[in-house]
Amino acid sequence: DTAVSQTPKYLVTQMGNDKSIKCEQNLGHDTMYWYKQDSKKFLKIMFSYNNKELIINETVPNRFSPKSPDKAHLNLHINSLELGDSAVYFCASSQDRGLTEAFFGQGTRLTVV
Amino acid sequence: SQQGEEDPQALSIQEGENATMNCSYKTSINNLQWYRQNSGRGLVHLILIRSNEREKHSGRLRVTLDTSKKSSSLLITASRAADTASYFCATDAGSNYQLIWGAGTKLIIKP
Repeated sequence: DTAVSQTPKYLVTQMGNDKSIKCEQNLGHDTMYWYKQDSKKFLKIMFSYNNKELIINETVPNRFSPKSPDKAHLNLHINSLELGDSAVYFCASSQDRGLTEAFFGQGTRLTVV
Repeated sequence: SQQGEEDPQALSIQEGENATMNCSYKTSINNLQWYRQNSGRGLVHLILIRSNEREKHSGRLRVTLDTSKKSSSLLITASRAADTASYFCATDAGSNYQLIWGAGTKLIIKP
């Protein structure tokens, strides 16, 4: 069983569209994250949720909205996609907020054309 | 913001040789972690070293931490082709509960 799974793996879409990326973890972790990795491989945190509650919301456009229906799921919805949104988005989870080992999903490569 | 900086950016060595990567950071930390990312895949946790530890081993991996110099090194001994990947260090940001990542070292092991 995949510990952290995100779908889709690839997403190609036109500018202006709205899209969602789903993430689920079966590890029983309390904390989940969304990261963005750009073409230079820089990894930047976007959001962090702990027990369905938002605890980190870095400076990202408000076109990005995370939703956590339960502590095993953290979905990312993106409105009005722009060319600069093209990147690889990673979901991750960890046991708690104490910065223990993080488990990552396989990533979603988003290409906006 | 980027706190960790890995050095070198890229490293190419022969199989069987040792590979050393370095990470420098700017602020005080509680712990430092190393991760591996194979091409097109997610990151995989390798090792965590706490600020009160100086050295840690896991199989062929050896990590050192020098808090006075704000630096860490990752040594992979007897490298294998399967070690080809990018390696990232990540530091905590104290009470902010987030990891801050370096740009990674791309390691290529030549058979």
